[in-house]
Amino acid sequence: DGGITQSPKYLFRKEGQNVTLSCEQNLNHDAMYWYRQDPGQGLRLIYYSQIVNDFQKGDIAEGYSVSREKKESFPLTVTSAQKNPTAFYLCASSAGTGGHGELFFGEGSRLTVL
Amino acid sequence: AQRVTQPEKLLSVFKGAPVELKCNYSYSGSPELFWYVQYSRQRLQLLLRHISRESIKGFTADLNKGETSFHLKKPFAQEEDSAMYYCALRRYGGSQGNLIFGKGTKLSVKP
Repeated sequence: DGGITQSPKYLFRKEGQNVTLSCEQNLNHDAMYWYRQDPGQGLRLIYYSQIVNDFQKGDIAEGYSVSREKKESFPLTVTSAQKNPTAFYLCASSAGTGGHGELFFGEGSRLTVL
Repeated sequence: AQRVTQPEKLLSVFKGAPVELKCNYSYSGSPELFWYVQYSRQRLQLLLRHISRESIKGFTADLNKGETSFHLKKPFAQEEDSAMYYCALRRYGGSQGNLIFGKGTKLSVKP
């Protein structure tokens, strides 16, 4: 079954702890993205990667880190430096060329900081 | 600045009524615009894109450069259209999926 898999679906974290959200895709897409979704805020871009071993900051990268060691994987770490980490996180991918901007999304991970 | 504005947080219509979800954008040059939809308990997915000039599930959207708008329309709303709708703009110079999203409009179609 092709697509994007995010895990875990729900995650609780204590303040001061780092947490890593997993994102895997088997669509053979070059580009991958992390968006944050907050009620009334829409989606905001955290980080994106257009190719393996390369990534760029999005609009709200502070307090987050990523890696792209494999084409199919793009994990996001929410660090203790992120001031308001409780949110719904969406991973997405798109074809590197063509595809005309279509993003394919995962089901999301909901992070709650206690 | 590149920006997408969806002025309505919530839009409620009755089944069979016309529906228009508004989207305005700010962009220098030729924009690439999209509508994404998120049905309850489903993933966010592409509904349509302006370059395709397509009609999906009865929805259409026309790019109006003069008014910098990309409103989503459907002549007769159905209950299954109830969902969260996001207008999105491809970022200037950005990769294919590097999009700026509006804050979304929740459409509720009543029976």
